[in-house]
Amino acid sequence: AQSVSQHNHHVILSEAASLELGCNYSYGGTVNLFWYVQYPGQHLQLLLKYFSGDPLVKGIKGFEAEFIKSKFSFNLRKPSVQWSDTAEYFCAVNAEGGSYIPTFGRGTSLIVHP
Amino acid sequence: NAGVTQTPKFQVLKTGQSMTLQCAQDMNHEYMSWYRQDPGMGLRLIHYSVGAGITDQGEVPNGYNVSRSTTEDFPLRLLSAAPSQTSVYFCASSRLGEDEQYFGPGTRLTVT
Repeated sequence: AQSVSQHNHHVILSEAASLELGCNYSYGGTVNLFWYVQYPGQHLQLLLKYFSGDPLVKGIKGFEAEFIKSKFSFNLRKPSVQWSDTAEYFCAVNAEGGSYIPTFGRGTSLIVHP
Repeated sequence: NAGVTQTPKFQVLKTGQSMTLQCAQDMNHEYMSWYRQDPGMGLRLIHYSVGAGITDQGEVPNGYNVSRSTTEDFPLRLLSAAPSQTSVYFCASSRLGEDEQYFGPGTRLTVT
C-alpha cells in the first residue's frame, strides 16, 4: 500500500515570500500525484496533478510542483505567496492500476501574513 | 451541475444515537468515497464504492455503514455515535479511470 508524508505541518510566511511544501510518497510502482487545497471553511479542490510527461506541473493560482522520481517526491512551490493563499494543502498519491481512491498526506497548514 | 452535495452541514448527536449523512452527485461518477478529517490526521478514508451495489472498507470503517443503491447517492450511516466520531466528514466522487476527486462541502459532526 502507498503512503504519503508531508513534512511541514505548519508554515507561516509573509506576503511575497517563496513557498515550498514537501511531499514524499512510498510506493515502488507508477503513481499519479496530486495537490489539493482547502481554503478556510471550504471543501478540498484540486490544485494540480501529475500523471506522466513533463515532471514540472503547473496548476492554478501560480502554483507548480515537481515530480522527482528518484526521490519519491512531489514538492509544491510558489515563487511569491499572497494572503489569499492561506489554506491547508494536501498531497495525495494513487498507485496506477489501483482502486482510483488516493491516499492523502496529513496536510500542511499555511498562514500568510499581509 | 450541483456537483457533490452533502446534508446536513452541521449536526450534534448524543452518544448512542444513530444518523445518516447524505451525499449525492450529479456528474454520473462511478466512484464515491467518504473521508473524515481530524486535526493533524489529514483525510482518512472510511468507505468507498466503485459503482452501484459495490462498496468496500477504507482505513477507518468501524462504526460506519454505507450502501450504494444508485449511482448518484452514497449515504454514510453512524450506527451508534461515539465522541470519537466527532469530526468533519467529506464525501467525494470521481470518474472511472480518472483520479481527480470532487469533494462535497462537508458535514461537521459533534457527538456529546
